[in-house]
Amino acid sequence: EADIYQTPRYLVIGTGKKITLECSQTMGHDKMYWYQQDPGMELHLIHYSYGVNSTEKGDLSSESTVSRIRTEHFPLTLESARPSHTSQYLCASSESRYEQFFGPGTRLTVL
Amino acid sequence: GEDVEQSLFLSVREGDSSVINCTYTDSSSTYLYWYKQEPGAGLQLLTYIFSNMDMKQDQRLTVLLNKKDKHLSLRIADTQTGDSAIYFCAETPGTALIFGKGTTLSVSS
Repeated sequence: EADIYQTPRYLVIGTGKKITLECSQTMGHDKMYWYQQDPGMELHLIHYSYGVNSTEKGDLSSESTVSRIRTEHFPLTLESARPSHTSQYLCASSESRYEQFFGPGTRLTVL
Repeated sequence: GEDVEQSLFLSVREGDSSVINCTYTDSSSTYLYWYKQEPGAGLQLLTYIFSNMDMKQDQRLTVLLNKKDKHLSLRIADTQTGDSAIYFCAETPGTALIFGKGTTLSVSS
């Protein structure tokens, strides 16, 4: 079973608040990813990292930012949450192109 | 850009076979994947196939790949109620996975 964790699992927050979604993995994987899953279920890559101090934007434009100071940790931050940020956010990690291990996701609701 | 297409819903009876279809557009994808997502959970890799293969079988799962038509299918034999979930087809033409919208499989007893 994959050891990748996301907290919180559910978050309801008001507009304008700063939030950080946490993602940690204990597998020592260099590659980590953040996906946004629309209510209609489609997933889009919003950020990825190939190692410490490496971060890139994904295919879908996002107002969020990420950091990768430690191999095991890849947090995502929204400086000022808006209702349009309401979605499910999935974190994943991988060592190769064979498989990405996914966390359970954070379901974010911005009121 | 890349676009992966799937039908959105499939309903089968327990014990029947399920076939979920997927069409992808980027022929440079080296690997093609099937992921399963159960309610409230993340995605779990079910199986993958190399682009130079036509078929891969793993217990109740059979993956067929038609590179000419860019068509991928997942067959689940003897479908069980526990197979009810959303199934995502994905390809990797570059940086990360490109997903389809997912097919919701509903299994009735």
